[in-house]
Amino acid sequence: GNSVTQMEGPVTLSEEAFLTINCTYTATGYPSLFWYVQYPGEGLQLLLKATKADDKGSNKGFEATYRKETTSFHLEKGSVQVSDSAVYFCALIGFGNEKLTFGTGTRLTIIP
Amino acid sequence: NAGVTQTPKFRILKIGQSMTLQCTQDMNHNYMYWYRQDPGMGLKLIYYSVGAGITDKGEVPNGYNVSRSTTEDFPLRLELAAPSQTSVYFCASSYSHPDSVVPNYGYTFGSGTRLTVV
Repeated sequence: GNSVTQMEGPVTLSEEAFLTINCTYTATGYPSLFWYVQYPGEGLQLLLKATKADDKGSNKGFEATYRKETTSFHLEKGSVQVSDSAVYFCALIGFGNEKLTFGTGTRLTIIP
Repeated sequence: NAGVTQTPKFRILKIGQSMTLQCTQDMNHNYMYWYRQDPGMGLKLIYYSVGAGITDKGEVPNGYNVSRSTTEDFPLRLELAAPSQTSVYFCASSYSHPDSVVPNYGYTFGSGTRLTVV
C-alpha cells in the first residue's frame, strides 16, 4: 500500500536559518503529493502541492519538488521566521485512490 | 466562505456516553472524511464517504458510525465512549473528478473537535 516517511522531529532552528524537512514516499502509479501545516490549536491547512513528476509546489516562501526518481518531496525554505513554528505533514493521494496517506508530522520550532 | 465547519470544538464525555460530532461543508465537495489525531501522532482515517448515501471504513472504524444523507453533512457518531477515543477529530472534504483522470487537488480540513473521555 501507500506510505509516507518524513523526517522525525522536533526540529529547532534560529530565525533566518535554512529549512529542509525530508519526505519520501511509496506508492504505485503517479500519486499527488502535498505538504500540510498545522499551527497550534488549529486544523490542517494545505501549504503546497504537486501533481506530477518534476512539478514544484510553492507557497509562503516554502518549496517542494516532486522527484519521481528518488520518490521524494522535501520541503525547503530559505529563511524561516518565528511564525513558521508549526507541525508539518507530508501526504500523498494515490491516483484513482482518494484517501490521503499522511506522514507522522514534523514539529518545527523557530527561535528568535 | 465557511469551508468545513465542525461542532462542537470541545467536549468532555463520561465512559459509556454517546455523542455526535457534526461536520458540514459548503463547497459542494463529493468526498468527505473523518480523521483522528492522537497526541504527537499523525492522522488516522476513521470513515470516509464518496457521495451522499455512500460510506466506507478507514483504518480505525471500531466504535464509530457515520451517515451521509446530504452532500453537505457528514456526522460522526460515537457509541459507548471509551478512554481510548480521547483524541482530536478532524473532518475534511475534497473534490474528486468522476472519471479520475483529473488528480485530486487536496483536502480542506475543519478546525477540529477536541474530545476527552473520562
